[in-house]
Amino acid sequence: GAGVSQSPRYKVTKRGQDVALRCDPISGHVSLYWYRQALGQGPEFLTYFNYEAQQDKSGLPNDRFSAERPEGSISTLTIQRTEQRDSAMYRCASSLDLAGATYNEQFFGPGTRLTVL
Amino acid sequence: GQQLNQSPQSMFIQEGEDVSMNCTSSSIFNTWLWYKQEPGEGPVLLIALYKAGELTSNGRLTAQFGITRKDSFLNISASIPSDVGIYFCAGPSGKQVYSGGGADGLTFGKGTHLIIQP
Repeated sequence: GAGVSQSPRYKVTKRGQDVALRCDPISGHVSLYWYRQALGQGPEFLTYFNYEAQQDKSGLPNDRFSAERPEGSISTLTIQRTEQRDSAMYRCASSLDLAGATYNEQFFGPGTRLTVL
Repeated sequence: GQQLNQSPQSMFIQEGEDVSMNCTSSSIFNTWLWYKQEPGEGPVLLIALYKAGELTSNGRLTAQFGITRKDSFLNISASIPSDVGIYFCAGPSGKQVYSGGGADGLTFGKGTHLIIQP
């Protein structure tokens, strides 16, 4: 079946512009996560949703970053007034949410490579 | 916040050799995860560990959940070319705001780069 998809795969923008990154989770996965991965580093947690509810946004670096998942499926990560330090790979993951599970495996998408000039 | 320290940072080995890498944390984790990332792809889960002292295998891979719950180890036996990639340890942040199940953001280490020379 189809995995997590993200679009665009590559985004080049100028400093100060807003960008919107899209994530389409695996069908039936109720939890959706956003991570940022700098070169040579592991993914860094940003935020996650259960259905349409944003459960944890503690990893968002500042108020220029926001995310939404209005219908509990597709999610958009928006970065306003982009800065060069925002350049990174932005990855989305999704998981089931099995009641009582110690851990629900997160399946990662291919990412969006954002470059801010 | 929680930090995971992985070592070594990189490994250059010959095909057929065994590989060992580890991950340590300053705080306790209740679940340890090992992921592998190949170029151009997202991380893929290899092994999940849920209990201190647990030893779990997945083919040629074996991982252990340390007794102190502050470390974990991954071994790969008889390495082959397709083992090349970056191996990350990870663990749930422990916040679990939503009580419905095991959904939680993950903390990742910086990774161990495995390079295999034929």
